[in-house]
Amino acid sequence: EIVLTQSPGTLSLSPGEGATLSCRASQNVPNNHLAWFQQRPGQAPRLLIYGASSRAIGIPHRYSGSGSGTDFTLTVNRVEPEDFAVFYCHQYGYSPPTFGPGTRVEMK
Amino acid sequence: QVQLVQSGAEVKKPGASVQISCKASGYTFTTYYIHWVRQAPGQGLEWMGVIDPDGTVSTYSQNFHGRVTLTTDTSTSTAYMELSSLKSDDTALYFCARAIPAAVPFDVWGQGTFVTVSS
Repeated sequence: EIVLTQSPGTLSLSPGEGATLSCRASQNVPNNHLAWFQQRPGQAPRLLIYGASSRAIGIPHRYSGSGSGTDFTLTVNRVEPEDFAVFYCHQYGYSPPTFGPGTRVEMK
Repeated sequence: QVQLVQSGAEVKKPGASVQISCKASGYTFTTYYIHWVRQAPGQGLEWMGVIDPDGTVSTYSQNFHGRVTLTTDTSTSTAYMELSSLKSDDTALYFCARAIPAAVPFDVWGQGTFVTVSS
């Protein structure tokens, strides 16, 4: 299976700062089928990005995804209070689908 | 609106089985596959398996050693997940989510069903 590693484990930011989250795969993710999810406490995950760089419906433009192959990045431009959450990367190009361990974005 | 609504919380004893339902509404049930994902308290997301909407094809995570059974009922647009031989470390929040294979991953999720396994 494809193992996903995320860094950093925790990111401490103030509102208005930018966030860069990394996801590295143990092998090439076919067709760049890499997604990012946000999970707030007590809620189900929410799809942010799919296909490495396509924003899901209703996702603000401050969220962007990039990367290919084994290295992917989620960027949040000017973090807002509602952005503080845990973010997971997920590959769905190869079975079984797998998730990274998550990056917690917390308020400094 | 498009939604997946799951059945309520469960408390089970070790060795028992649990079945969770996931009722779809607001879209054509037969268009999307249904996946199941669980999350132990304070932990990350773990994929359990997937079933096509007609219930004819399913794939399971090897981590569950045959303990997971997925089914669907197209007449009620409902998917079901049964987990057998429950252990204490099966205590978790269980989610269903819809997806289109190799296209749209998990764009709609159920609200989650918490299963407690305790003697």
